[in-house]
Amino acid sequence: QQQVKQSPQSLIVQKGGISIINCAYENTAFDYFPWYQQFPGKGPALLIAIRPDVSEKKEGRFTISFNKSAKQFSLHIMDSQPGDSATYFCAASMETSGSRLTFGEGTQLTVNP
Amino acid sequence: GAVVSQHPSWVICKSGTSVKIECRSLDFQATTMFWYRQFPKQSLMLMATSNEGSKATYEQGVEKDKFLINHASLTLSTLTVTSAHPEDSSFYICSALLGLGTQYFGPGTRLLVL
Repeated sequence: QQQVKQSPQSLIVQKGGISIINCAYENTAFDYFPWYQQFPGKGPALLIAIRPDVSEKKEGRFTISFNKSAKQFSLHIMDSQPGDSATYFCAASMETSGSRLTFGEGTQLTVNP
Repeated sequence: GAVVSQHPSWVICKSGTSVKIECRSLDFQATTMFWYRQFPKQSLMLMATSNEGSKATYEQGVEKDKFLINHASLTLSTLTVTSAHPEDSSFYICSALLGLGTQYFGPGTRLLVL
C-alpha cells in the first residue's frame, strides 16, 4: 500500500488558534515523513520532517507528532497566523524506493484575522 | 540554501509544438531529481524520477515518449513535452533530492497549450 490519507480537506482557524492536520499511512516501510506548505501558483516548500525513530519534532510554531504503532502523523501549527493560510501536504517516502514521495491529498488552511 | 529554480515560470504554446522546462539545483548537486504534475486543487502527481547520467524512470501511465527527461549534469534536469495538446496544460513542478529523503521543490512552470 502506497497511499497516504490526509484530513481534513479544509480547515478554518481563528488567528492565534492551533491548526491540526492528520495523516495516516499503510506501508510500514516508509522511513521519512515531511510536511510541505504550498501557496497558490508556487512550488511546495519543506516545512518540517520526521523519521520513525522519534515521536515528536518541533521547529518554531510547527510540530510533528508521530505515532508509529497507529501509523499516523500530524502537523500542529501553534499560534496560527493569516500568513499561514495555504495548502499543506503530508508525504512519505522510503530510501529503498529511491526516496520517491507519496503525497496526501492536501489540506486547505484558512486562518481568519 | 537548497534552492531549486525552474525556467520558464509560465509558457503558452500552440497545440503540436514542443516545450522544454529546465530545473536547476542552484546551491547543491543532485544526482536525483523528480518531475511532478499538479492540476488545480489537487495533490502532486509524480511523473518520473530523473537520475544523472542514466535514463529516467517513469511512473505507470506516464508516456515516456511524450515527456522526455534529460539529466545531463548534477545541477540540471530538463522536461520536454513533445507535441503538446490542450490536455497537457498543467502546473509542472520539479524537485531535487538532497541527502536522505529530503526533496526541495522548484517554483513550478505553468503550461497552457492552445
